Amino acid sequence: KAGVTQTPRYLIKTRGQQVTLSCSPISGHRSVSWYQQTPGQGLQFLFEYFSETQRNKGNFPGRFSGRQFSNSRSEMNVSTLELGDSALYLCASSPGTGSVDTEAFFGQGTRLTVV
Amino acid sequence: AQRVTQPEKLLSVFKGAPVELKCNYSYSGSPELFWYVQYSRQRLQLLLRHISRESIKGFTADLNKGETSFHLKKPFAQEEDSAMYYCALRGSGNTGKLIFGQGTTLQVKP
Repeated sequence: KAGVTQTPRYLIKTRGQQVTLSCSPISGHRSVSWYQQTPGQGLQFLFEYFSETQRNKGNFPGRFSGRQFSNSRSEMNVSTLELGDSALYLCASSPGTGSVDTEAFFGQGTRLTVV
Repeated sequence: AQRVTQPEKLLSVFKGAPVELKCNYSYSGSPELFWYVQYSRQRLQLLLRHISRESIKGFTADLNKGETSFHLKKPFAQEEDSAMYYCALRGSGNTGKLIFGQGTTLQVKP
């Protein structure tokens, strides 16, 4: 089956702009989580969406938001970009129901550079 | 507080030597523990999880609730094991949220 697909792979934005990243999960998966990966902070959880509802949220400012569509595809948006938002943004999908099959599958990420 | 700690940023061993990547966690309930691996230019992927109690690519990890540890071990390291390894925790209940450690780079020298 096709893996998790993230688009675009690379982005360069200017401070103050906004950006939207997209994630297509594995077919049948209903949970999509987003993570920010930086050399200094490692992998940090942003939020999780399940069946179009935000189910969990990390400790990021309100400039970071997301949504999930009825086909489980998800987008995350960052408004008023800051230099510190430069990072690799990873999306992970999982079935999302019960505790039997809990493996999360990751996309290759979107590399965001803010200049 | 929920936390995963990997004390070593870099672990360098020679081929054939034993490997132990340390992971300690802090969680008040019954978490699920995972090891994820990221090879060069590849996506993050699951290596193993504690509920499976399986050996993958020669790696094993045992959950020690008393010491709140989930160390990853392999008796004989191979050059192809060189990668970044992340220990991760998922809390109880219906959640996809993973809490990751800072990661350990394993370098296996020939």
